[in-house]
Amino acid sequence: DQQVKQNSPSLSVQEGRISILNCDYTNSMFDYFLWYKKYPAEGPTFLISISSIKDKNEDGRFTVFLNKSAKHLSLHIVPSQPGDSAVYFCAASKKSSGDKLTFGTGTRLAVRP
Amino acid sequence: GAVVSQHPSRVICKSGTSVKIECRSLDFQATTMFWYRQFPKKSLMLMATSNEGSKATYEQGVEKDKFLINHASLTLSTLTVTSAHPEDSSFYICSARTGFSYEQYFGPGTRLTVT
Repeated sequence: DQQVKQNSPSLSVQEGRISILNCDYTNSMFDYFLWYKKYPAEGPTFLISISSIKDKNEDGRFTVFLNKSAKHLSLHIVPSQPGDSAVYFCAASKKSSGDKLTFGTGTRLAVRP
Repeated sequence: GAVVSQHPSRVICKSGTSVKIECRSLDFQATTMFWYRQFPKKSLMLMATSNEGSKATYEQGVEKDKFLINHASLTLSTLTVTSAHPEDSSFYICSARTGFSYEQYFGPGTRLTVT
């Protein structure tokens, strides 16, 4: 039962353009969402997060949007840079689970120079 | 800040032997540490959650006698893969969090190959 889904396994974007990575979830009890970036053979790196009481959080080039009614969140990267090329995972958490993270399947982003 | 290290980064062992992987939070005290496993081109699968000084909580389907977890201090957790088999070959990643936020900070991972 995949409670957090990233339906696009890969995305290719031109340098300087916007990258939009999408994530859907099924469990309405999730109350905190995170995005991680991962390079091959390395651990994930925390990027940005958002609480369910908000609908937007911005940090530099990264913005996360949350649509609770649609159970959907997205990560916008603008402008995209070649160094952003990596696998991006969204993750969700709920207080009642002891703050365990449930990860999506990941989207591989390739930013073309 | 929020640096997590893992050791070793790579290990090759023979079938039937045991392997210990260490996870350390270098600049913060981790009240909770998590152990994940990642299969090729798959998501991270949570194996267990460990809190300092108490027994680990294992996810469904994870054998606690095979994957021994010890969280002896606020900066160190160990995962021991006992009687390793080739199907245990995988990328194991730990993460740590303080008691104040949801964010987990991940180690660089350990590639285990069982021959």
